[in-house]
Amino acid sequence: DTAVSQTPKYLVTQMGNDKSIKCEQNLGHDTMYWYKQDSKKFLKIMFSYNNKELIINETVPNRFSPKSPDKAHLNLHINSLELGDSAVYFCASSQEQGTYEQYFGPGTRLTVT
Amino acid sequence: GNSVTQMEGPVTLSEEAFLTINCTYTATGYPSLFWYVQYPGEGLQLLLKATKADDKGSNKGFEATYRKETTSFHLEKGSVQVSDSAVYFCALKVIQGAQKLVFGQGTRLTINP
Repeated sequence: DTAVSQTPKYLVTQMGNDKSIKCEQNLGHDTMYWYKQDSKKFLKIMFSYNNKELIINETVPNRFSPKSPDKAHLNLHINSLELGDSAVYFCASSQEQGTYEQYFGPGTRLTVT
Repeated sequence: GNSVTQMEGPVTLSEEAFLTINCTYTATGYPSLFWYVQYPGEGLQLLLKATKADDKGSNKGFEATYRKETTSFHLEKGSVQVSDSAVYFCALKVIQGAQKLVFGQGTRLTINP
């Protein structure tokens, strides 16, 4: 069983479109995260939710909106996609906020044309 | 601010060679330090960690020692294998406010048989 899963794995779309990436974890963790990895492999946190409550919101354009319907799911919706949004997006989870080990999903490669 | 700097990649070695990947950090207070590994097509996995000065983290033949005096956490392995080919990320955990991981830029390692 996959611990942290993301869908889709690949997403190709045009500028201006709206898209969503879904993440689910079956580890029973309380905290989930979204990271963005750019073309140079830099990995930066975007958001973190703890028990469905937003606790980290980095300087991310408000076109990005995370939604956590329950503590096992954290989805990322992106409005009005831009070329610069092309990246790999990783979801992760941990037992509780600040716990050392974060478990990562396989990533979603988003390409905006 | 808090940041992590890793040696530039890519790094290419022959099987059984000695590996060092340098990592230095800047942080307020005393962060915890981590190495994560990303195998091709997969999410990141925790490789090893150290939580205080002079701690040595080790796993799968890899080691790293938390050096407060040089603010470093270099990753080493005595004899690399082809299966070690991956991208390696150094990271620190910021112990202030909402805790989060800050990653270095990643170092791609290729081991040739």
